[in-house]
Amino acid sequence: QKEVEQDPGPLSVPEGAIVSLNCTYSNSAFQYFMWYRQYSRKGPELLMYTYSSGNKEDGRFTAQVDKSSKYISLFIRDSQPSDSATYLCALNTNAGKSTFGDGTTLTVKP
Amino acid sequence: KAGVTQTPRYLIKTRGQQVTLSCSPISGHRSVSWYQQTPGQGLQFLFEYFSETQRNKGNFPGRFSGRQFSNSRSEMNVSTLELGDSALYLCASSLAGNAEAFFGQGTRLTVV
Repeated sequence: QKEVEQDPGPLSVPEGAIVSLNCTYSNSAFQYFMWYRQYSRKGPELLMYTYSSGNKEDGRFTAQVDKSSKYISLFIRDSQPSDSATYLCALNTNAGKSTFGDGTTLTVKP
Repeated sequence: KAGVTQTPRYLIKTRGQQVTLSCSPISGHRSVSWYQQTPGQGLQFLFEYFSETQRNKGNFPGRFSGRQFSNSRSEMNVSTLELGDSALYLCASSLAGNAEAFFGQGTRLTVV
């Protein structure tokens, strides 16, 4: 069983929709939770970073962490075609190694 | 503020050869982590260096090695290349090996 499981997708939504991306994990030692966005043929770009249960908002993006359920989510409001990318969750135990989900490919159609 | 710089961006090598990839972290960042990304396996951790010392290592064979210099720049070396080593190699830098890591654009290695 993988330490981090990410909803595989692909996901296709109309412009303006609310998108929900999700990961579950099994290792309770994970303390830091990140979401990255990766465009084709580019490196991952850090979108959100949090270390506590609850919600963290940044513009149209909200990261949600539920440590008791070992579940993390990223919500994108008012999705735009430019949000079309692969989204990766990443978890870290306070070391220089992050464990990544396999990614969810999102397409936002105009 | 300059980001993480990886060179070269693209490489084509022949089986059996060796290759060295370079990563310059964000100024002030002392931790550099390396990852391999392939369509089948996703992003897999190779190793992490902090202040010239390897602190963490993933489950890759000894053909994969790295080092870090006093200016925090890091290199990764792969010897005796195999076809399966074809991948996007990414490095990420952070202040002290914490989770807030920033990636470079990667080096795409093709082994033929």
